[in-house]
Amino acid sequence: QLQLQESGPGLVKASETLSLTCSVSGGSISNTNYYWGWIRQSPGKGLEWIGSVYYSGNTYYNPSLESRVTISIDTSKNEFSLKVTSVTAADTAVYYCDYGAVSYSIFDVWGQGTLVTVSS
Amino acid sequence: SYVLTQPPSVSVAPGNTARITCGGNNIGSKGVHWYQQRPGQAPVLVIYYDGDRPSGIPERFSGSNSGNTATLTISRVEAGDEADYYCQVWDSRSARVVFAGGTKLTVL
Repeated sequence: QLQLQESGPGLVKASETLSLTCSVSGGSISNTNYYWGWIRQSPGKGLEWIGSVYYSGNTYYNPSLESRVTISIDTSKNEFSLKVTSVTAADTAVYYCDYGAVSYSIFDVWGQGTLVTVSS
Repeated sequence: SYVLTQPPSVSVAPGNTARITCGGNNIGSKGVHWYQQRPGQAPVLVIYYDGDRPSGIPERFSGSNSGNTATLTISRVEAGDEADYYCQVWDSRSARVVFAGGTKLTVL
Protein backbone atom coordinates (compact mmCIF):
# COMPACT_ATOMS: atom_id res chain seq x y z
CA GLN A 1 0.00 0.00 0.00
CA LEU A 2 1.46 3.30 -1.09
CA GLN A 3 1.83 5.93 1.62
CA LEU A 4 2.35 9.63 1.12
CA GLN A 5 3.87 12.21 3.46
CA GLU A 6 3.93 15.96 2.89
CA SER A 7 6.75 18.17 4.14
CA GLY A 8 7.72 21.82 3.89
CA PRO A 9 7.52 25.17 5.68
CA GLY A 10 4.37 25.80 7.65
CA LEU A 11 4.71 29.56 7.29
CA VAL A 12 5.31 31.51 4.08
CA LYS A 13 5.42 35.26 3.62
CA ALA A 14 3.02 36.93 1.24
CA SER A 15 4.38 37.39 -2.31
CA GLU A 16 6.92 34.59 -1.83
CA THR A 17 6.90 31.00 -3.14
CA LEU A 18 5.28 28.10 -1.31
CA SER A 19 7.23 24.86 -1.76
CA LEU A 20 6.08 21.44 -0.57
CA THR A 21 7.37 17.92 -1.10
CA CYS A 22 5.50 14.63 -0.98
CA SER A 23 7.55 11.56 -0.11
CA VAL A 24 6.28 8.26 -1.47
CA SER A 25 6.83 4.99 0.40
CA GLY A 26 5.66 1.48 -0.26
CA GLY A 27 6.20 1.73 -3.99
CA SER A 28 7.96 3.50 -6.83
CA ILE A 29 6.91 6.88 -8.08
CA SER A 30 7.98 5.68 -11.53
CA ASN A 31 5.14 3.18 -11.54
CA THR A 32 3.43 3.51 -14.86
CA ASN A 33 -0.16 4.69 -14.98
CA TYR A 34 -0.04 6.49 -11.65
CA TYR A 35 -0.92 10.14 -11.28
CA TRP A 36 0.54 12.22 -8.45
CA GLY A 37 -1.10 15.43 -7.33
CA TRP A 38 -2.04 18.10 -4.85
CA ILE A 39 -5.32 19.27 -3.34
CA ARG A 40 -5.82 21.94 -0.72
CA GLN A 41 -8.47 22.77 1.84
CA SER A 42 -8.81 26.24 3.31
CA PRO A 43 -9.59 26.32 7.03
CA GLY A 44 -13.19 25.31 7.57
CA LYS A 45 -13.86 25.17 3.85
CA GLY A 46 -14.06 22.71 1.03
CA LEU A 47 -11.57 21.02 -1.23
CA GLU A 48 -9.78 22.62 -4.17
CA TRP A 49 -7.86 20.67 -6.79
CA ILE A 50 -4.46 22.15 -7.58
CA GLY A 51 -3.14 19.74 -10.18
CA SER A 52 -1.54 16.42 -11.03
CA VAL A 53 1.53 15.03 -12.76
CA TYR A 54 1.76 11.74 -14.63
CA TYR A 55 4.74 9.45 -14.14
CA SER A 56 5.91 10.53 -17.61
CA GLY A 57 5.98 14.17 -16.53
CA ASN A 58 2.75 15.33 -18.20
CA THR A 59 0.94 17.83 -15.99
CA TYR A 60 -2.69 18.82 -15.44
CA TYR A 61 -3.43 22.04 -13.57
CA ASN A 62 -6.48 23.84 -12.23
CA PRO A 63 -6.90 26.68 -14.77
CA SER A 64 -7.51 29.15 -11.96
CA LEU A 65 -4.08 28.40 -10.44
CA GLU A 66 -2.10 27.34 -13.47
CA SER A 67 -0.15 30.57 -13.88
CA ARG A 68 1.34 30.21 -10.38
CA VAL A 69 1.67 26.45 -9.93
CA THR A 70 4.33 23.89 -10.84
CA ILE A 71 4.15 20.19 -9.97
CA SER A 72 7.16 18.02 -10.71
CA ILE A 73 8.50 14.52 -10.06
CA ASP A 74 11.95 13.53 -8.77
CA THR A 75 12.30 9.82 -9.44
CA SER A 76 15.75 9.65 -7.85
CA LYS A 77 14.26 10.66 -4.50
CA ASN A 78 10.89 8.93 -5.00
CA GLU A 79 9.07 12.16 -4.33
CA PHE A 80 7.13 14.88 -6.08
CA SER A 81 6.78 18.55 -5.32
CA LEU A 82 4.51 21.58 -5.50
CA LYS A 83 5.48 25.20 -5.99
CA VAL A 84 3.03 28.08 -5.79
CA THR A 85 4.40 31.51 -6.57
CA SER A 86 3.28 34.96 -5.41
CA VAL A 87 1.22 33.62 -2.51
CA THR A 88 -1.42 35.62 -0.68
CA ALA A 89 -3.55 34.98 2.40
CA ALA A 90 -5.99 33.16 0.12
CA ASP A 91 -3.38 30.41 -0.31
CA THR A 92 -3.51 29.58 3.41
CA ALA A 93 -4.75 26.00 3.56
CA VAL A 94 -4.05 22.41 4.45
CA TYR A 95 -2.23 20.94 1.47
CA TYR A 96 -2.69 17.27 0.68
CA CYS A 97 -0.66 15.22 -1.74
CA ASP A 98 -2.44 12.34 -3.43
CA TYR A 99 -2.16 9.67 -6.06
CA GLY A 100 -4.55 8.14 -8.49
CA ALA A 101 -4.16 4.73 -10.07
CA VAL A 102 -6.97 5.15 -12.57
CA SER A 103 -7.06 8.83 -13.53
CA TYR A 104 -5.69 12.23 -12.66
CA SER A 105 -9.18 13.09 -11.50
CA ILE A 106 -9.73 10.28 -8.99
CA PHE A 107 -7.73 10.43 -5.79
CA ASP A 108 -7.18 6.96 -4.35
CA VAL A 109 -4.86 7.77 -1.48
CA TRP A 110 -4.08 11.02 0.29
CA GLY A 111 -1.28 12.12 2.56
CA GLN A 112 -2.14 13.33 6.05
CA GLY A 113 -1.93 16.96 4.96
CA THR A 114 0.19 19.88 6.05
CA LEU A 115 -1.01 23.34 7.06
CA VAL A 116 0.60 26.25 5.28
CA THR A 117 -0.11 29.74 6.57
CA VAL A 118 0.67 32.81 4.51
CA SER A 119 1.69 35.75 6.65
CA SER A 120 1.79 39.39 5.75
CA SER B 1 -17.93 26.75 -14.42
CA TYR B 2 -19.64 23.51 -13.39
CA VAL B 3 -21.30 23.62 -9.98
CA LEU B 4 -22.04 20.71 -7.64
CA THR B 5 -24.53 21.13 -4.82
CA GLN B 6 -24.81 19.06 -1.66
CA PRO B 7 -27.03 19.55 1.40
CA PRO B 8 -24.94 21.01 4.24
CA SER B 9 -26.05 18.36 6.70
CA VAL B 10 -27.79 15.01 6.96
CA SER B 11 -28.75 13.27 10.19
CA VAL B 12 -29.52 9.59 10.66
CA ALA B 13 -30.02 7.19 13.54
CA PRO B 14 -27.64 4.25 13.92
CA GLY B 15 -28.72 1.23 11.90
CA ASN B 16 -30.72 3.31 9.45
CA THR B 17 -29.87 4.32 5.89
CA ALA B 18 -28.28 7.65 5.02
CA ARG B 19 -28.62 9.17 1.56
CA ILE B 20 -26.45 12.10 0.55
CA THR B 21 -27.26 13.80 -2.72
CA CYS B 22 -25.03 15.66 -5.15
CA GLY B 23 -26.73 17.84 -7.71
CA GLY B 24 -25.33 19.11 -10.98
CA ASN B 25 -26.49 19.88 -14.48
CA ASN B 26 -26.75 16.55 -16.30
CA ILE B 27 -24.44 14.99 -13.73
CA GLY B 28 -25.63 11.61 -14.91
CA SER B 29 -23.36 12.02 -17.93
CA LYS B 30 -20.29 12.34 -15.71
CA GLY B 31 -18.41 9.94 -13.44
CA VAL B 32 -18.99 10.87 -9.82
CA HIS B 33 -16.59 10.09 -7.00
CA TRP B 34 -17.24 10.33 -3.26
CA TYR B 35 -14.86 10.98 -0.37
CA GLN B 36 -15.30 10.60 3.36
CA GLN B 37 -13.41 12.98 5.66
CA ARG B 38 -13.50 12.26 9.36
CA PRO B 39 -12.65 15.13 11.73
CA GLY B 40 -8.96 15.97 11.65
CA GLN B 41 -8.19 13.39 8.98
CA ALA B 42 -7.50 13.35 5.27
CA PRO B 43 -10.29 12.43 2.87
CA VAL B 44 -10.74 8.81 1.87
CA LEU B 45 -12.17 7.64 -1.47
CA VAL B 46 -15.29 5.57 -0.77
CA ILE B 47 -16.99 5.42 -4.18
CA TYR B 48 -15.62 6.04 -7.68
CA TYR B 49 -17.27 6.10 -11.10
CA ASP B 50 -20.72 6.45 -9.57
CA GLY B 51 -20.90 3.14 -7.77
CA ASP B 52 -17.58 1.28 -7.61
CA ARG B 53 -15.99 0.67 -4.21
CA PRO B 54 -12.23 0.72 -3.61
CA SER B 55 -10.88 -2.30 -1.79
CA GLY B 56 -11.41 -2.05 1.95
CA ILE B 57 -14.58 0.03 1.72
CA PRO B 58 -17.57 -1.78 3.28
CA GLU B 59 -20.40 -2.93 1.06
CA ARG B 60 -22.65 -0.68 3.13
CA PHE B 61 -21.41 2.15 0.92
CA SER B 62 -23.02 2.39 -2.50
CA GLY B 63 -23.68 5.02 -5.11
CA SER B 64 -25.93 5.86 -8.01
CA ASN B 65 -26.05 8.59 -10.61
CA SER B 66 -28.78 9.63 -13.01
CA GLY B 67 -30.18 12.80 -14.52
CA ASN B 68 -29.20 15.78 -12.38
CA THR B 69 -28.53 13.91 -9.12
CA ALA B 70 -25.95 11.49 -7.82
CA THR B 71 -26.53 9.77 -4.50
CA LEU B 72 -24.25 8.20 -1.93
CA THR B 73 -26.12 5.64 0.16
CA ILE B 74 -24.79 4.34 3.46
CA SER B 75 -26.73 1.36 4.83
CA ARG B 76 -26.79 0.27 8.45
CA VAL B 77 -25.13 3.48 9.54
CA GLU B 78 -22.59 3.25 12.35
CA ALA B 79 -21.19 5.90 14.67
CA GLY B 80 -17.89 5.68 12.82
CA ASP B 81 -19.57 6.88 9.62
CA GLU B 82 -19.98 10.35 11.11
CA ALA B 83 -17.92 12.56 8.80
CA ASP B 84 -18.01 15.08 6.01
CA TYR B 85 -18.75 13.61 2.59
CA TYR B 86 -17.73 15.26 -0.69
CA CYS B 87 -18.77 14.42 -4.22
CA GLN B 88 -16.43 15.23 -7.12
CA VAL B 89 -16.41 15.14 -10.90
CA TRP B 90 -14.17 16.04 -13.79
CA ASP B 91 -15.60 18.92 -15.82
CA SER B 92 -14.22 18.55 -19.33
CA ARG B 93 -15.55 21.92 -20.43
CA SER B 94 -13.45 23.86 -17.92
CA ALA B 95 -10.75 21.16 -17.74
CA ARG B 96 -10.80 20.98 -14.00
CA VAL B 97 -11.71 18.78 -11.06
CA VAL B 98 -14.81 20.07 -9.27
CA PHE B 99 -15.67 19.31 -5.66
CA ALA B 100 -18.99 20.04 -4.00
CA GLY B 101 -19.08 21.90 -0.71
CA GLY B 102 -19.59 18.75 1.34
CA THR B 103 -22.26 17.27 3.59
CA LYS B 104 -21.80 16.72 7.30
CA LEU B 105 -23.29 13.38 8.28
CA THR B 106 -24.40 13.26 11.89
CA VAL B 107 -25.20 9.93 13.52
CA LEU B 108 -27.81 10.61 16.17
